[in-house]
Formats: sequence, structure tokens, C-alpha cells
Amino acid sequence: EVQLVESGGGLVKPGGSLRLSCAASGFTFSNYNMNWVRQAPGKGLEWVSSISSSSSYIYYGDSVKGRFTISRDNAKNSLYLQMNSLRAEDAAVYYCARDITAMVSGFDYWGQGTLVTVSS
Amino acid sequence: AIQMTQSPSSLSASVGDRVTITCRASQGIRNDLSWYQQKPGKAPKLLIYAAYNLQSGVPSRFSGGGSGTYFTLTISSLQPEDFATYYCLQDYSYPRTFGQGTKLEIK
Repeated sequence: EVQLVESGGGLVKPGGSLRLSCAASGFTFSNYNMNWVRQAPGKGLEWVSSISSSSSYIYYGDSVKGRFTISRDNAKNSLYLQMNSLRAEDAAVYYCARDITAMVSGFDYWGQGTLVTVSS
Repeated sequence: AIQMTQSPSSLSASVGDRVTITCRASQGIRNDLSWYQQKPGKAPKLLIYAAYNLQSGVPSRFSGGGSGTYFTLTISSLQPEDFATYYCLQDYSYPRTFGQGTKLEIK
């Protein structure tokens, strides 16, 4: 059974940092592109970042570029999101999500999400 | 960035109704579009990928169509469990962009 489990969320002050993790199981993690998607309270979904299976290709949304860093450790079946210089508008539930395949896009599995709160 | 305009933003319907949600892209995206259902407090669920392909396990009352800049998600006969918020996502280029969502409510 495919499982994605996020962790690392919490309360952080503006300007602070946080590292989110996503532990994957039930599939060959190293074969799949992975993504982070967030959802601010009461708002819609926002794509944050994507990383290819071998980390060769990395993309960021404009709102996080230069502040967030996506990475993965295929040996540990884990995806990460390092978030620096956090702002109030970064407060959201952060989901990790798997792309269907390298050739077919769409997020077929999602984690349960981890809540990031940015407040002084 | 490609803008995705979803309509309507909200919709009231009854069990058994046929409903259609549309998504327009600001430029052509071939058929690189997926649809998601989200219920309160839950992660989104993939319904349709590549515009019209039904994800495994999703009921056949859900269908997707369109290509280029205009896409539709149709639910042929609404069931009580279908009342949720629906999002489209363009998978054509980065940054990937979601529509703003359509909240489907019970009439």
C-alpha cells in the first residue's frame, strides 16, 4: 500500500526556518517525481515545488523561490522541504504528493498533510 | 505562468443531478490536466488525469473532457458523497497551477 507521511510542521516565528519531511513507503520511491502542495486556511490548493526522481530537475513556485529548497534521499525513501525566511503567508497545510509516472502527470497519492503556522 | 480559470466557483445541486465544472487555461496545454476532489480536512483525491482518463477506483459517473484551453469535469448523477470541492491542475508546464476551486453543495 502506497503511503506518504509528512512531518515537521509546527509554529515558527516570521523569518524563521522549518524543515518538512515526507516518508514514503509501498512503492519504489526512486522511480517517481515528487511534489509539495500547500493550502492556506480556507483557501485553495497551491503547487509549491517539484523534484524529479533523480533530483536532476527541480522547480519552485514564484512565491517560494529563493526561500524554500526541495530535496530527496532515495536511499531513505524521503522527500524534504527546507523553508527559510518564513512569512505569515506561508502558513498552510503542506502536502507531499507523488506524480503518476515520469511520463504521465497528475498527483495520484497524497500525504495527510502537516500544518505550518507562522506567527510571532 | 499559465492561469487556470475554473467555473463556477460554487454550485448547488441535488442528488441525481448532472453537473459540469469547467476549467479554462490561459494558453494551450494539450490534454495535460488533472481533476481532484477534496473534502473538508482531507487531502485531495485524484479523479481524472490527462484530461479524460479515470483514475483507478473512481466511479464511472465522473468523466473528463476537453483539450487545449477548455476542459470539463462532469458528474453524471450526483451522489451524497460527491459534495466536496473540486480543483483542476495544469500539468503542462512549470509552475504548475491549480484552478481556484469549485465548491459543490447540496441544494
